[in-house]
Amino acid sequence: DAKTTQPPSMDCAEGRAANLPCNHSTISGNEYVYWYRQIHSQGPQYIIHGLKNNETNEMASLIITEDRKSSTLILPHATLRDTAVYYCIVGWGKLQFGAGTQVVVTP
Amino acid sequence: GAVVSQHPSWVICKSGTSVKIECRSLDFQATTMFWYRQFPKQSLMLMATSNEGSKATYEQGVEKDKFLINHASLTLSTLTVTSAHPEDSSFYICSAMGVRADTQYFGPGTRLTVL
Repeated sequence: DAKTTQPPSMDCAEGRAANLPCNHSTISGNEYVYWYRQIHSQGPQYIIHGLKNNETNEMASLIITEDRKSSTLILPHATLRDTAVYYCIVGWGKLQFGAGTQVVVTP
Repeated sequence: GAVVSQHPSWVICKSGTSVKIECRSLDFQATTMFWYRQFPKQSLMLMATSNEGSKATYEQGVEKDKFLINHASLTLSTLTVTSAHPEDSSFYICSAMGVRADTQYFGPGTRLTVL
């Protein structure tokens, strides 16, 4: 069974920030939180990951709650090319993909 | 950095034949590689984990004699679909994890169609 819960879909306006929530209430102490995205008919693209602290890179920011039971991926300025399925995964080593969130960025 | 390639990107074969898919880590050494399968409108399903120089570990329900995995070097893993049938038609994706072992990088996928 998937260890994460994500909304099935989200719409976002181009140029605005997209905040993607993820619940992972059964996360273990040594499990990372990973975010990947998959554009249609392509392999998943790594976005960001974290263990306890918030993380930021050139693509996105990852906010992890203090109890680590949930996290939020933030795309600061969504573009049309950010339309994809976004997967939140917890684990280490083997990763089990859930259904993800279909994000549609509209003009 | 962290580029993973797959070859071929798509393949069409006749039922009963075998197909080999290659997965290469281009700019890092992959101590562990993973193989996934994705059917239309579904999520990725992990098939097996392979470590360089040792036998692959298959997920429950995946036939190891049908999906042969070889991880002969730190930059190459191969998946051979033996005696392919139409129900094996799918999108096969590999990923590779380097020595830091905290992030998987995925290949672009291989579309297999069995006629």
